[in-house]
Amino acid sequence: DAKTTQPPSMDCAEGRAANLPCNHSTISGNEYVYWYRQIHSQGPQYIIHGLKNNETNEMASLIITEDRKSSTLILPHATLRDTAVYYCIVRVKRTSYGKLTFGQGTILTVHP
Amino acid sequence: DGGITQSPKYLFRKEGQNVTLSCEQNLNHDAMYWYRQDPGQGLRLIYYSQIVNDFQKGDIAEGYSVSREKKESFPLTVTSAQKNPTAFYLCASTISARIDSNQPQHFGDGTRLSIL
Repeated sequence: DAKTTQPPSMDCAEGRAANLPCNHSTISGNEYVYWYRQIHSQGPQYIIHGLKNNETNEMASLIITEDRKSSTLILPHATLRDTAVYYCIVRVKRTSYGKLTFGQGTILTVHP
Repeated sequence: DGGITQSPKYLFRKEGQNVTLSCEQNLNHDAMYWYRQDPGQGLRLIYYSQIVNDFQKGDIAEGYSVSREKKESFPLTVTSAQKNPTAFYLCASTISARIDSNQPQHFGDGTRLSIL
């Protein structure tokens, strides 16, 4: 599996941009990067995914470096409801059933 | 609204009892998954199904059973053979589990199972 490394925790002020980094230096050429978040006692929520181009949707932006060894999830205007554990995942493509492997993630705390 | 519904939200099991967790999706997804999450840990795959009437064991299938008789439903039974069933159980689905698919998995809100 392509291993991902994330900081264990980050803080962000409400209304500011939250930039969550992820290192995936062993990623293969056709493997996508996925971001999910999990609020306590809820199921993981899909945020965004990408291969090599930057992606943006209504929730966030994903910036992937040119060498694809790292990425950054950007929440442009963080709110208190964005406090959650954020997971960066590289899906294992060589399996035929799409198992997702969640690591420890980054605990993002948004404070007033 | 389309989504994945898991029920019940909380479930209690007595010793020696089998219990069934429900998972229903109206997203018209082919593939469905069951994961288990223990406190402070990541998700572990129990079973998955790529298509109706087919399912395969994941990494920790012992003590669990599933069925996939309908596309929208993938119930999980926690049997008495599962000696440590207390956990948060998550059901997920995706359009296709094919190796060339990059579509994300979407999750339900989970069922928390405890032992009485």
